[in-house]
Amino acid sequence: EVQLVQSGAEVKKPGESLKISCKGSGYSFTSYWIGWVRQMPGKGLEWMGIIFPGDSNTKYNPSFQGQVTISVDKSISTAYLQWSSLKASDTAIYYCTMAADGIFWFDPWGQGTLVTVSS
Amino acid sequence: QSALTQPASVSGSPGQSITISCTGTSSDVGGYNYVSWYQQHPGKAPKLMIYDVSNRPSGVSNRFSASKSGNTASLTISGLQAEDEADYYCNSYTSSTTYVFGTGTKVTVL
Repeated sequence: EVQLVQSGAEVKKPGESLKISCKGSGYSFTSYWIGWVRQMPGKGLEWMGIIFPGDSNTKYNPSFQGQVTISVDKSISTAYLQWSSLKASDTAIYYCTMAADGIFWFDPWGQGTLVTVSS
Repeated sequence: QSALTQPASVSGSPGQSITISCTGTSSDVGGYNYVSWYQQHPGKAPKLMIYDVSNRPSGVSNRFSASKSGNTASLTISGLQAEDEADYYCNSYTSSTTYVFGTGTKVTVL
């Protein structure tokens, strides 16, 4: 079964760093793009960026460029989303999802990681 | 990169048909046949309902159909059922080689 399993909920203070993960299983991890999506409380989905684990080619939504870093560790089939200095406005659920190379839709999705940033 | 425009809410009675629009530009919806639609129930992850404008993944009810004309894509749900009550988002590939979501539409079954 193809699935993406994300790391658990996090509670952080403003200014702290954070790295959340998304582990793929049941498929060839290096052959599928992994995308990250933000959903702020009560709001819609926002496309953050995408990475191809095979060569770490990464594309960011301009709104998120410089605000987050997307990376992968092929050896453990895991993608990451990280912040160097969190803000309260980073409070949201973050989803990872996947797409085959040359495919422009995303399925399946991870279960989501709730990140709460509060002093 | 502005979000694609969707109506905030659409409602219908059981058995009726409803249509959700998704309006973008020639740099996204109008420029590529790479529009997909996602259903999200409260507290759940999004689920793919339509890909490449009008294709249904296996397991998705044939009550869901979709199309595109110019810069506007549309999702139609026919024979509306209580289980269809959810948020729906369109998504498109863009000329910036990234993706953009729609603003989202809350579907209410009356």
